[in-house]
Amino acid sequence: RKEVEQDPGPFNVPEGATVAFNCTYSNSASQSFFWYRQDCRKEPKLLMSVYSSGNEDGRFTAQLNRASQYISLLIRDSKLSDSATYLCVVGGTYKYIFGTGTRLKVLA
Amino acid sequence: DADVTQTPRNRITKTGKRIMLECSQTKGHDRMYWYRQDPGLGLRLIYYSFDVKDINKGEISDGYSVSRQAQAKFSLSLESAIPNQTALYFCATGAQGTNQPQHFGDGTRLSIL
Repeated sequence: RKEVEQDPGPFNVPEGATVAFNCTYSNSASQSFFWYRQDCRKEPKLLMSVYSSGNEDGRFTAQLNRASQYISLLIRDSKLSDSATYLCVVGGTYKYIFGTGTRLKVLA
Repeated sequence: DADVTQTPRNRITKTGKRIMLECSQTKGHDRMYWYRQDPGLGLRLIYYSFDVKDINKGEISDGYSVSRQAQAKFSLSLESAIPNQTALYFCATGAQGTNQPQHFGDGTRLSIL
């Protein structure tokens, strides 16, 4: 089993749709959780950290379920500019494991 | 100016050549990392450093070496490049502590013929 697993997609959704991605992790001792966004052949950029109580940043909501060992990202009112690959990142005290990413295409 | 700067941005070279990729940062972070990214494999950690005197191997360190010349500088070397080291390489920095995200440079696209 991979340490961090994501559905590679692509998720093709129309503008204005709501879309959700999940990411599972295997190490129950993981302490840090993030979602990154990566555009084609560019560097990953931090989208948001994920906190135990869940957190929201505008149209984006992230949640952590420690019991089932997964994190989720919800995007509301999708924009064309949201088209990208979304990387799930799970970390311990020093090492972060990156998922292979979920590709999102928002269609006009 | 970028907080994490990688040079060169692109490099094409031949098998057997020695290559150095450089990374510098102005974020004041102690931790620095080198990753490579290949299609379908995601980001894989090559080496990481928590301060100038602390260097650690990541999951795929064979064929690579690093030098932490200063808090702000961390370079990656390919001693004798081989074609399967063709990839996109990223440097990242991070602050100490948990829940500290990593911040990436623009990447170096390396092709080895």
